[in-house]
Amino acid sequence: EAGVAQSPRYKIIEKRQSVAFWCNPISGHATLYWYQQILGQGPKLLIQFQNNGVVDDSQLPKDRFSAERLKGVDSTLKIQPAKLEDSAVYLCASSSADTQYFGPGTRLTVL
Amino acid sequence: QQQVKQSPQSLIVQKGGIPIINCAYENTAFDYFPWYQQFPGKGPALLIAIRPDVSEKKEGRFTISFNKSAKQFSLHIMDSQPGDSATYFCAARGEGGNYKLTFGKGTLLTVNP
Repeated sequence: EAGVAQSPRYKIIEKRQSVAFWCNPISGHATLYWYQQILGQGPKLLIQFQNNGVVDDSQLPKDRFSAERLKGVDSTLKIQPAKLEDSAVYLCASSSADTQYFGPGTRLTVL
Repeated sequence: QQQVKQSPQSLIVQKGGIPIINCAYENTAFDYFPWYQQFPGKGPALLIAIRPDVSEKKEGRFTISFNKSAKQFSLHIMDSQPGDSATYFCAARGEGGNYKLTFGKGTLLTVNP
């Protein structure tokens, strides 16, 4: 069974630039999550989708972050404009029941 | 605010030792408590999980002990190996079926040969 795929794996941008991350969940998983993991901390949920609907986006900084999952499969997370404090690993996860399966993440560095 | 407090921040043991990582939570509505293992450059991977109606769960060398009255749970790794060196995260899931996980800050485990 293929795991959660994410791209790119690494991204370096200047502050105030925009960036987008892509996630392809495990086939058949209805629930998709985006997490932000700052160095030395646990993952923090940014947004959760059930199929193509948003279940929880309470911790998503909506002035600069956006996410979509138009067809209930792939998802894109965008940051516009980026700030220095957005430097982190962005993890995508998917689940069909209890277990969340994580992708390898995208390491974002904002200079 | 939902919180999960994890300790210690880092831990060094010798091969064969039994590292113990502790977590405490506040929200009694949490209904599922997983532990995740993360290697550098990789995403977290589920190691073992427990529900609050069980006091202990064992899978291979990994054991979760759960104390519902104290709102604490811990991970024990028996006969630890250098390959167990990783960061370990405890987490807790809120009720209601949205499966939202709240993670601890992680414990960096080093197992020396």
